[in-house]
Amino acid sequence: DIQMTQSPSSLSASVGDRVTITCRASQSISSYLNWYQQKAGRAPKLLIYGASGLQSGVPSRFRGSGSETEFTLTISSLQPEDFATYYCQQSYITPDFGQGTKLEIK
Amino acid sequence: QVQLQESGPGLVKPSQTLSLTCSVSGGSISSGGYYWSWIRQPAGKGLEWIGRIDTSGSTNYNPSLKSRVAISLDTSRNHFSLRLSSVTAADTAVYYCARDSPFTIFGRGGYYYYGTDVWGQGTTVTVSS
Repeated sequence: DIQMTQSPSSLSASVGDRVTITCRASQSISSYLNWYQQKAGRAPKLLIYGASGLQSGVPSRFRGSGSETEFTLTISSLQPEDFATYYCQQSYITPDFGQGTKLEIK
Repeated sequence: QVQLQESGPGLVKPSQTLSLTCSVSGGSISSGGYYWSWIRQPAGKGLEWIGRIDTSGSTNYNPSLKSRVAISLDTSRNHFSLRLSSVTAADTAVYYCARDSPFTIFGRGGYYYYGTDVWGQGTTVTVSS
C-alpha cells in the first residue's frame, strides 16, 4: 500500500494570506496526485488532477505542484470561501486519500 | 450534466450486509473511460476509498475492505451498487458514490490522470442494533 501523509493537519490563516499544504507519498507516484476541497456537510470537490492540472471552474489562485513523492497545494491569496478541509489523493494504483488538512480562519 | 444520487437503508444491524445504489442521471453509465466509485467518511474523520468499477465490469477494491466488498453495475437501470458484508459499528459513515474521469495535461505525453469529478450528495448509514 502507498501511504499518503499530509501536513499540517490543521492551519490557521487570514484572508489574503498565501498558504501551502504538503502531501508526501511513501513511494513514487509520478504525478498521479489529486487535491480536493471539502466544506462541512458537503461532498468533496476536485481542485487539481495530475499534480498540477486545474479542474474546470476552479479559481487560478489554487496551484498544485510536485512529482514522485512530494506535492504541494498552494492558495495564493485566501478568500473567505476557501476555509475548508483539503485532501490529497494518489491515483497511481488503487486510490487512497491523505488524512486531510483543516484550514481555519485566524 | 451527470448527477449521482445514493439510496438505501440508513440503518443496518451488525453482522448484516449494507446495500446501497447510486442512480446516474444526465448521462449513460455505459459511457467508456470512466470509473464508478464508492467512498465513505465516518463522522468527523477523513475520506476512505472503498472501491470502483469500470464499464467492462472490472473492479478494484481497498485492500482493507476487499474481503467484504462487492461493487456491481446495472447498465439497464443506469445505476451501480455497493454491498458491504458483515458490518460493524466501524462501518458507520456517510457513503458517497462518485465518478472518476480521465484527464490529460498538455505536454505530459498523453497520459491519463483520473480524478473524482462528480459526487453524489452522500447518504448516512448507521450500523446499530
